[in-house]
Amino acid sequence: QSVLTQPPSASGTPGQRVTISCSGSSSNIGSNTVNWYQQLPGTAPKLLIYSNNQRPSGVPDRFSGSKSGTSASLAISGLQSEDEADYYCAAWDDSLNGLYVFGTGTKVTVL
Amino acid sequence: EVQLVQSGAEVKKPGESLRISCKGSGYSFTSYWISWVRQMPGKGLEWMGRIDPSDSYTNYSPSFQGHVTISADKSISTAYLQWSSLKASDTAMYYCASLGVVGAFDIWGQGTMVTVSS
Repeated sequence: QSVLTQPPSASGTPGQRVTISCSGSSSNIGSNTVNWYQQLPGTAPKLLIYSNNQRPSGVPDRFSGSKSGTSASLAISGLQSEDEADYYCAAWDDSLNGLYVFGTGTKVTVL
Repeated sequence: EVQLVQSGAEVKKPGESLRISCKGSGYSFTSYWISWVRQMPGKGLEWMGRIDPSDSYTNYSPSFQGHVTISADKSISTAYLQWSSLKASDTAMYYCASLGVVGAFDIWGQGTMVTVSS
């Protein structure tokens, strides 16, 4: 059962900017950094953003992350067809000896 | 190349036992925690639990505690996920992932599909 809430879907045309929200609580996003994962159809998830706003090597700078209080967001600027995927936020949760919680996931469609 | 390679797809009957594996290579396997993540068909990601390969300390999500066992053999850089009695509801894709220095899962296995059906 996910404790991080995301919108089920988001969409945009090529070149547009799309933003995905992630809402948590004081025990997870409020206390720890947020990570974002991208899952292309039929593949394993891939780390997209770590520590709220850091991109691993190889991730285009079109992807950016931010966090404020108990919420976080992922922005995709200059949307491309290859960005069509599921996106998940995630964070450690300080309850119950430390758990990792994923968001509910957002399907991004490029129109 | 840094990678996690998982064992192949499994088809089992309810009540059977199963152990799937995740072998690390190209990095110091004992330096980073390994977690298992479940993805049921058409659904999202669920964190199941983690193991420290250096000493086999584990902790589990309450949702999975008592239903699965996570273990590791550091001598062969391999982590395991085990069931003693499978249920149809265990049908899912299972991923292993390594918690890197950045505090996020930066290396993922390719996934192991487990199908439980009578």
